[in-house]
Amino acid sequence: QSALTQPASVSGSPGQSITISCTGTSSDVGTYNLVSWYQQHPGKVPKLMIYEGSKRPSGVSNRFSGSKSGNTASLTISGLQAEDEADYHCCSYAGSDSLVFGGGTKLTVL
Amino acid sequence: EVQVVVSGGGLVQPGGSLRLSCSASGFTFNTYSMHWVRRAPGKGLEYVSAVGGDGISTYYTDSVKGRFTISRDNSKNTVYLQMSSLIAEDTAVYYCVRDFWGGSWALGYWGQGTLVTVSS
Repeated sequence: QSALTQPASVSGSPGQSITISCTGTSSDVGTYNLVSWYQQHPGKVPKLMIYEGSKRPSGVSNRFSGSKSGNTASLTISGLQAEDEADYHCCSYAGSDSLVFGGGTKLTVL
Repeated sequence: EVQVVVSGGGLVQPGGSLRLSCSASGFTFNTYSMHWVRRAPGKGLEYVSAVGGDGISTYYTDSVKGRFTISRDNSKNTVYLQMSSLIAEDTAVYYCVRDFWGGSWALGYWGQGTLVTVSS
């Protein structure tokens, strides 16, 4: 399966909201409500931020939210903070016991 | 507390082999699928391989089929990734990951990663 499509970079100022899109196909994002999002700071291990499209694990700030429309999933970060600067990766179940990731998006907090 | 510890990375020549090990604790090991994910320099995350809790069901991404073999020893709470016929494109940090919860298809618990460098 082909990788999901994410913008290479997004940016925002502290306090603003940003949205990162993740476009797949009817074989992955469009069919399964199993999109997850991961935050990865440089040199660090990825951290699960959103699962099943819109659910947050315990301990993840409610400034992070997920949604989906058709074949596109989105991650929104509100009240942007300097510590949110990181790479963000989307991921979807793609059937046949497989997952597919996006190319990753670098978030810069101006 | 769930812990996942990866070992076995290093420098290997093209065409060579390497075995990664992933030791886990803090949960009932044989009830969870385990996954390998990698991140090559300058690239995004890539889903590489997975094995079901019973060790029978496995998955490989197309680029590693026939070269990588995933296995697990539930008596040792350990998963292995045997990599052979390595090529430069396999250079990456390799992560071992456990499901967030069984059947969630979300990757909740990540090992620290191990660097595999394929170069002459």
